[in-house]
Amino acid sequence: AQTVTQSQPEMSVQEAETVTLSCTYDTSESDYYLFWYKQPPSRQMILVIRQEAYKQQNATENRFSVNFQKAAKSFSLKISDSQLGDAAMYFCAYRGRTDSNYQLIWGAGTKLIIKP
Amino acid sequence: DAGVTQSPTHLIKTRGQQVTLRCSPKSGHDTVSWYQQALGQGPQFIFQYYEEEERQRGNFPDRFSGHQFPNYSSELNVNALLLGDSALYLCASSSGWDRTYSGNTIYFGEGSWLTVV
Repeated sequence: AQTVTQSQPEMSVQEAETVTLSCTYDTSESDYYLFWYKQPPSRQMILVIRQEAYKQQNATENRFSVNFQKAAKSFSLKISDSQLGDAAMYFCAYRGRTDSNYQLIWGAGTKLIIKP
Repeated sequence: DAGVTQSPTHLIKTRGQQVTLRCSPKSGHDTVSWYQQALGQGPQFIFQYYEEEERQRGNFPDRFSGHQFPNYSSELNVNALLLGDSALYLCASSSGWDRTYSGNTIYFGEGSWLTVV
C-alpha cells in the first residue's frame, strides 16, 4: 500500500523569505501523480502544484516549485517570497494510476506560519 | 461558475443517530469522492461515485454509505454514529473516474463539520 509522510508538523518563515516543506512517499508503482494542497482556515483544499512522475522536469507555479526526486521518493515544496496569505496547512498527496487505486492518499500535513 | 458546494456546514449529532451530508459537484464534473478528515490529520478516502455507482471504497465500515443522483450530486450517510466519527467531511469532484483521468484536477468543497456527542 502507498503511504505519504510529512515529517514537519509545523514550519515558520519570515515574510518575503523562502521555505521548503518536505514530503516522502512509498510506492511500488512507476506511474503516478503527486500533489501539494493548501488548506487555509476556511478548510477548503486548494491545489497548489502537481507533478507527473514520468516527467523529470520539476513543476513550477509562480512562487511555488517542487523538488521531485523519484529514486529517493521525495517531493518537497519550495515557497519563494513568502506572503502572509501563504499561512495554512499544506498537505502532500499521492494518486496512483493502477486499475484499482485512484484515490488521493494524504500526508498528515505541515502547518506553515508566516512571521510579519 | 459555482465550485463544489456542501451542506450543512456544521452539525451536531448524538451517538447512535444517523446523518446525511450533501454535495453538489463543480459544473461539468461527473465524479464525486468523499473524504473524512479528523482534527490534525490528513483526509482519508471513504468512497467514490461515478454514474450513480460506487466505484472505489476506502477502509470504512458499512455504516458509511452513499448515493449519487442523475444530476451528479451526492449524499454521504453515516448510521449508528460513534464519537470517533466526529470530523470534517470533504466532498471532492472531478471529471472521469478511471486511470485515464487520474491526473485531472480534483476540486474540494469547504466541508461539513460533524460533531458527535
